[in-house]
Amino acid sequence: EVQLLESGGGLVQPGGSLRLSCVASGFPFSSYAMSWVRQAPGKGLEWVSAITGSGGSTYYADSVKGRFTISRDDSKNTLYLQMNRLRAEDTAVYYCAKDPTWYSSSWYLDYWGQGTLVTVSS
Amino acid sequence: DIQMTQSPSSVSASVGDRVTITCRASQHIRTWLAWYQQKPGKAPKLLIYAASSLRSGVPSRFSGSGSGTDFTLTISSLQPEDFATYFCQQANSFPYTFGQGTKLEIK
Repeated sequence: EVQLLESGGGLVQPGGSLRLSCVASGFPFSSYAMSWVRQAPGKGLEWVSAITGSGGSTYYADSVKGRFTISRDDSKNTLYLQMNRLRAEDTAVYYCAKDPTWYSSSWYLDYWGQGTLVTVSS
Repeated sequence: DIQMTQSPSSVSASVGDRVTITCRASQHIRTWLAWYQQKPGKAPKLLIYAASSLRSGVPSRFSGSGSGTDFTLTISSLQPEDFATYFCQQANSFPYTFGQGTKLEIK
């Protein structure tokens, strides 16, 4: 059974940093592209960042480019999102999600974690 | 960025009704489109990918169609568990944008 478990969310002041983690199980993690998607309270979905299965390519939404860094440790089956210079508008539930395509990327999202809440406030 | 516009933003319907939700892309995206269902407090679930391919395990009352810029999600006979919010997502080019969502409510 595919499982994705996020952690690392919490309350942080504007300008602060957080690192989110997503531990994956139930599939060969290294073979799949992964993404982070966020949802502000009561709002829609926003694709934040993605990384290919090889880790060779990364992608960012303009809203986070230069502030967030996506990475993966395939030896630990873990996806990360390092978030720096956080702003109030980064407040959201952050989901990690898996691409369904083995050894390639379709950029659909077939499995999602339960999400972790990041609140940026003073 | 490609903008995805869903309509309607909300719809009220009854069990057994047929419902259609539309998603329009601001640029041609071929068939690089997915549909997701989200219930309150839960993560989204993939229903349809490649515009019309039903994900394994998803009931056949869900169907998708379209290509280019105009797409539809149809639920042929609403069941109580279908009342949720639905999002489209384009996978043609980064950033992979979502529609704003359509809330399907019980009439």
